[in-house]
Amino acid sequence: DAGITQSPRHKVTETGTPVTLRCHQTENHRYMYWYRQDPGHGLRLIHYSYGVKDTDKGEVSDGYSVSRSKTEDFLLTLESATSSQTSVYFCAMTGTLGVYGYTFGSGTRLTVV
Amino acid sequence: GESVGLHLPTLSVQEGDNSIINCAYSNSASDYFIWYKQESGKGPQFIIDIRSNMDKRQGQRVTVLLNKTVKHLSLQIAATQPGDSAVYFCAENNYGQNFVFGPGTRLSVLP
Repeated sequence: DAGITQSPRHKVTETGTPVTLRCHQTENHRYMYWYRQDPGHGLRLIHYSYGVKDTDKGEVSDGYSVSRSKTEDFLLTLESATSSQTSVYFCAMTGTLGVYGYTFGSGTRLTVV
Repeated sequence: GESVGLHLPTLSVQEGDNSIINCAYSNSASDYFIWYKQESGKGPQFIIDIRSNMDKRQGQRVTVLLNKTVKHLSLQIAATQPGDSAVYFCAENNYGQNFVFGPGTRLSVLP
């Protein structure tokens, strides 16, 4: 979607296993974000990146880590998946803060059993 | 598709009528606002934006109104169509900080 793709689209994993979600963009945008979306909570920011190797925590970062070794890729890792991390995860990007909105990927539905 | 909100407020409108979706934003210093549309199973999509130096902005069938006095944003959709059925939410930005998203409103278009 508009130069940003997420993989996988769906994943089922077992409690305690590590999981990595990938976000790939082709727009050379500097800023990238990971959100989770749950009923009753809307979009909640997990981690974000302001450039290669420049990442920071959002409001719900516990249990998650990220890496950005290249401009185009932003990886989200659940170090040891728990059932509370069952959610829909969205990646987003923007080229300039406060000037344009975010462009979102299509989402990854993660189920932890 | 994925459920984006089981407890969202819902607005039901007849096809062809106008829709008004409201949003109360939190930060009086926010200077940039966006409305997003999210269809089932998809990511949020940009609809229209407005900056704090404006009160109104029009797009194709959509109008956004900004009332800074009461920190209120509204989205008006003219001649609502079945394809407008989705969750709509607002986002606010404070001079280049990360966007803050509202919880959303589900719009249901009745035939």
